[in-house]
Amino acid sequence: EAGVTQFPSHSVIEKGQTVTLRCDPISGHDNLYWYRRVMGKEIKFLLHFVKESKQDESGMPNNRFLAERTGGTYSTLKVQPAELEDSGVYFCASSQGASRGIQYFGAGTRLSVL
Amino acid sequence: EDQVTQSPEALRLQEGESSSLNCSYTVSGLRGLFWYRQDPGKGPEFLFTLYSAGEEKEKERLKATLTKKESFLHITAPKPEDSATYLCAVQGYLSQAGTALIFGKGTTLSVSS
Repeated sequence: EAGVTQFPSHSVIEKGQTVTLRCDPISGHDNLYWYRRVMGKEIKFLLHFVKESKQDESGMPNNRFLAERTGGTYSTLKVQPAELEDSGVYFCASSQGASRGIQYFGAGTRLSVL
Repeated sequence: EDQVTQSPEALRLQEGESSSLNCSYTVSGLRGLFWYRQDPGKGPEFLFTLYSAGEEKEKERLKATLTKKESFLHITAPKPEDSATYLCAVQGYLSQAGTALIFGKGTTLSVSS
């Protein structure tokens, strides 16, 4: 069974540019989460989808971040325009159940904003 | 505020030298406590989940335990392949972030032969 897949694995962009990250969850998992790890800090929650609906986006830092999950399958996270402080590793996780469900993580996308 | 603190930040062991990693947590109603292993350049890999105080889970050389305020990950006779960062995370019933995981910073374990 395929795990959670994220593209690209690494992205280097300049401040002010736009970047789109993609996440393909495990097939059949309705719950999809985005997290971010900034250097030296712990992994932090960004938002949670249940199928195609945003269940919780309380962790999104500002309106430069836009997440979508069309059709309840893969998800994209767009940063526009990117700022230096957006650099970090962005992880996607999926689970069957939300409450007590085991979240399985992708390998992450390392974003470097120069 | 829900919080997870892991100690130590880094731990160096000789092969065969058993030890424990600590995870202290504060959460509004614990749904579950999760242990993950993370290797460099990879995402967190699920190890265990514990739901109530007194619960224990084992897998090979690893054993996780849970009390009302902390969890321990015991490593018995570690091998070099156990070297990784171990992450602890909690999920709370009344957390601001709903069912999202709240992570600690992790403990980086190095096992030398």
